[in-house]
Amino acid sequence: AQKITQTQPGMFVQEKEAVTLDCTYDTSDQSYGLFWYKQPSSGEMIFLIYQGSYDEQNATEGRYSLNFQKARKSANLVISASQLGDSAMYFCAMREGEGGDYKLSFGAGTTVTVRA
Amino acid sequence: DAGITQSPRHKVTETGTPVTLRCHQTENHRYMYWYRQDPGHGLRLIHYSYGVKDTDKGEVSDGYSVSRSKTEDFLLTLESATSSQTSVYFCATQGRGNTGELFFGEGSRLTVL
Repeated sequence: AQKITQTQPGMFVQEKEAVTLDCTYDTSDQSYGLFWYKQPSSGEMIFLIYQGSYDEQNATEGRYSLNFQKARKSANLVISASQLGDSAMYFCAMREGEGGDYKLSFGAGTTVTVRA
Repeated sequence: DAGITQSPRHKVTETGTPVTLRCHQTENHRYMYWYRQDPGHGLRLIHYSYGVKDTDKGEVSDGYSVSRSKTEDFLLTLESATSSQTSVYFCATQGRGNTGELFFGEGSRLTVL
């Protein structure tokens, strides 16, 4: 079974508007971490934001925020005030358990295109 | 940043030939990973290493082997490349943050004809 599901293959957003990227996850572990990465057309993987399963507050990093709904097993990324440079593919990922091996499982990704 | 160098960055090869991709890190991290990226699948873990000569399989390990004889180097080998192994390969290590994020190399694009 898929551990990470991203149901939106592609999205368009107008510059300066907010966009929400969906991510649902599947795990039976109580301790886990959720991550979002950005991959621009140049190909590098850029870490954006992290949410721990025990964190009570939603994570925020600048214009990025993670809408964590534990009961629904969702970890949506919200990008506020979109910029042209936000055009990229975005991946949701999960680390399960408390082991130190840092293995991540990734979703299929969502391509975001920001229109001027 | 973790300081990861992947080589080669681009390679075209023929079916049946052996291929080795190299990942070199400068931060002395214990854990290193090889992922492949394919459209519609995101990134999938091939193999990972938790120390010198300590490696384990990931989700899509068939057709791949790895070796880690030094902390800084993690090699991925395709013993006999197939067209299904055409992909972009990413090496990763632990990031510097305390969240357990991974830091990725720039990727190696492999085309098997």
